[in-house]
Amino acid sequence: AQKVTQAQTEISVVEKEDVTLDCVYETRDTTYYLFWYKQPPSGELVFLIRRNSFDEQNEISGRYSWNFQKSTSSFNFTITASQVVDSAVYFCALSEGNFGNEKLTFGTGTRLTIIP
Amino acid sequence: EAQVTQNPRYLITVTGKKLTVTCSQNMNHEYMSWYRQDPGLGLRQIYYSMNVEVTDKGDVPEGYKVSRKEKRNFPLILESPSPNQTSLYFCASSLYYRISTDTQYFGPGTRLTVL
Repeated sequence: AQKVTQAQTEISVVEKEDVTLDCVYETRDTTYYLFWYKQPPSGELVFLIRRNSFDEQNEISGRYSWNFQKSTSSFNFTITASQVVDSAVYFCALSEGNFGNEKLTFGTGTRLTIIP
Repeated sequence: EAQVTQNPRYLITVTGKKLTVTCSQNMNHEYMSWYRQDPGLGLRQIYYSMNVEVTDKGDVPEGYKVSRKEKRNFPLILESPSPNQTSLYFCASSLYYRISTDTQYFGPGTRLTVL
């Protein structure tokens, strides 16, 4: 069965500091997909990134970067020069590439607070 | 504007009083799904539908029903709500079932409290 672990329940950093959110996953499939979602205080879920298991290249998007390491089954998310608007709950999720219900299995989330 | 809408956004009800949370998408998506979000548990899938008249259970279907009579609508029905169904509910949709390649759009969430 697939599983996603976000060991950091809450993190607080001072504005402009860098912060890394950890995500460790378990799956028996060789084909799978990893995601990060942001849930700001308003409550909606905002899609940030999707990465497939065959692409281990790290990705950078502005102040956001993602480090995918199959060897450690991790898909960590780093925010550089954090801003108050980054305060949110962040979810890591996994989907196995099976035919049929490609449901998302979510981690328990990390609440990130950026202190001005 | 492409979106998934849910109604109501907030609901307080009492045990045993049947309720329906509506979900509608305007993107002609085939795949729709319901999740519930609970503290310390993340989001868990309740039911999903791969197309009209095709629905199936997710990980936590007990106490819920769904229907998919039209492509755009996927209501979540609680026939006899209980306090353990107090949660934040999200509806989601994607063009096809392939979350791996299709972007999944989430609704704004419905916060349900069952007293």
